[in-house]
Amino acid sequence: DGGITQSPKYLFRKEGQNVTLSCEQNLNHDAMYWYRQDPGQGLRLIYYSQIVNDFQKGDIAEGYSVSREKKESFPLTVTSAQKNPTAFYLCASSMRSGNQPQHFGDGTRLSIL
Amino acid sequence: GNSVTQMEGPVTLSEEAFLTINCTYTATGYPSLFWYVQYPGEGLQLLLKATKADDKGSNKGFEATYRKETTSFHLEKGSVQVSDSAVYFCALSASMDTGRRALTFGSGTRLQVQP
Repeated sequence: DGGITQSPKYLFRKEGQNVTLSCEQNLNHDAMYWYRQDPGQGLRLIYYSQIVNDFQKGDIAEGYSVSREKKESFPLTVTSAQKNPTAFYLCASSMRSGNQPQHFGDGTRLSIL
Repeated sequence: GNSVTQMEGPVTLSEEAFLTINCTYTATGYPSLFWYVQYPGEGLQLLLKATKADDKGSNKGFEATYRKETTSFHLEKGSVQVSDSAVYFCALSASMDTGRRALTFGSGTRLQVQP
């Protein structure tokens, strides 16, 4: 079955450490997205990519970085510059054109040690 | 800018009760509208969508009608079940100057259905 796989499901970060969250999709979607979800809140866009080797900042990109070297993969790095990284991170993908819905992975929960 | 406003939860209902979750939006252009559902510890699943005014999206007994005149997309279900307990997100997709079509989400409404 096609879908989006996020790993790991749970991740712990030490102070001053960078961590990378994995997102892989086999839906042949061009566009991919990273969102952050805080308790009791909606999702906020961190970064998005509409095509390989191209990506744009979302609403809360500070302290995060991404790469898009392959169509299937869109890893997110939470850097030490992100002072409040504890959250639930969701990756999504969609067809690039038109009003296509986004498909979501099951998320990664990041906590600070 | 674009925004979505949902009624605050939690909404607590008895099984077989009628459900309405209100959603209003502000957007430039002609947005598409979506309802997503999130079960505990999981990602979001698309529940239904509508891409133009007066469209009705429906799935699993849930319905929502795209009302451009009132900028609303309220979610309804005639008879809820315990298994419908989850958090429901209203969202819109509208192209901005950069061509971005990422979603703008409401804050979510938690539904609790009691047997």
